Amino acid sequence: QQQVKQSPQSLIVQKGGISIINCAYENTAFDYFPWYQQFPGKGPALLIAIRPDVSEKKEGRFTISFNKSAKQFSLHIMDSQPGDSATYFCAASKGEAGTALIFGKGTTLSVSS
Amino acid sequence: GAVVSQHPSRVICKSGTSVKIECRSLDFQATTMFWYRQFPKQSLMLMATSNEGSKATYEQGVEKDKFLINHASLTLSTLTVTSAHPEDSSFYICSAKLPMSNQPQHFGDGTRLSIL
Repeated sequence: QQQVKQSPQSLIVQKGGISIINCAYENTAFDYFPWYQQFPGKGPALLIAIRPDVSEKKEGRFTISFNKSAKQFSLHIMDSQPGDSATYFCAASKGEAGTALIFGKGTTLSVSS
Repeated sequence: GAVVSQHPSRVICKSGTSVKIECRSLDFQATTMFWYRQFPKQSLMLMATSNEGSKATYEQGVEKDKFLINHASLTLSTLTVTSAHPEDSSFYICSAKLPMSNQPQHFGDGTRLSIL
């Protein structure tokens, strides 16, 4: 049973465009939702995270939108740049940040120049 | 700050050998570390949670006798893949949790294991 579903599997966006990646979760006990960025041959790096008590969080060009009733959250990358080309993973966990994470399957983003 | 180092970054060995992977928190003490496995173009799958001074907690379907985890100090956890076979070839990634509450995990750069 896949607890965190991520889409699309791959995404191509033009430089300057908006990249949108979506995730849906099933377990209502999840209350911490981070997004990670991973480059080939490297470990994931935390981009931004949100908790269910807010509907949106913005950090620079990255924004998380959260819909608790729909059990969905999404990552928006504004003004996408070629350097943003990477694989992005959504994740979820219960309790405080730092507990065991359940990852989505990942989205490979390619930003064309 | 919050750097996690994994060693080796890549290892190639023959079938039947045992391989040890180290995960170190360089600038903080980590009472809890996690081990993940990632197949090519796939997601990270949690294998086990490693707590300093106690036995690791393994996820369902992970053979604890196959994947030995030792968390002997607050800065080091090791994963030993025993009697490795080609199907064990994968990218193994560790992460460590800062000791303060409500802090996110920090990941190492992974170890690419190839069993011939």
